[in-house]
Amino acid sequence: DAKTTQPNSMESNEEEPVHLPCNHSTISGTDYIHWYRQLPSQGPEYVIHGLTSNVNNRMASLAIAEDRKSSTLILHRATLRDAAVYYCILSDNQGGKLIFGQGTELSVKP
Amino acid sequence: NAGVTQTPKFRILKIGQSMTLQCTQDMNHNYMYWYRQDPGMGLKLIYYSVGAGITDKGEVPNGYNVSRSTTEDFPLRLELAAPSQTSVYFCASSLAGGLGQETQYFGPGTRLLVL
Repeated sequence: DAKTTQPNSMESNEEEPVHLPCNHSTISGTDYIHWYRQLPSQGPEYVIHGLTSNVNNRMASLAIAEDRKSSTLILHRATLRDAAVYYCILSDNQGGKLIFGQGTELSVKP
Repeated sequence: NAGVTQTPKFRILKIGQSMTLQCTQDMNHNYMYWYRQDPGMGLKLIYYSVGAGITDKGEVPNGYNVSRSTTEDFPLRLELAAPSQTSVYFCASSLAGGLGQETQYFGPGTRLLVL
């Protein structure tokens, strides 16, 4: 299974943009890039996913490098409720299994 | 919709005891998954199911069993509990899974302590 690399932790100030990086240099052509987040004491929740093009939804934006070897999750205005562990995951077409790494723990300062 | 529900929320087991963790989804999803999460770590896939009557192993299946007799339910069975099974267990479901782009919906988790 293709692996991802993320920083262990990042800090942000409230109401500022946050860019969470992810490296996936061994990504294959059929792998989707997913982002999930896990708030304290909760199950993970879906944030966004993409294949080749940049994607936007109400929660965040996903910027995918042209060679697809890296991606960035963008939270446009961080709030205190965005403090969580963010997981970047590659999902292939073999049963949709998600292989979680350790993720990036985002802290947001007021 | 309640989404994915799990019971119990918390349980203490003695070594060698057995228990079943329950998971139910009301979204008519075909795919269901069981993960475990050890402290400070990401989730690891234990078992998954692509439909009623079909199950397959994930990364860490040893010490666990599953069954899927209905679309809604996907119970996880621990036969002989060991301290190494102390963890938080998450159940998830998705409408499909074969193409890699489906969203998984997670339950709130069951915290298990084996002493």
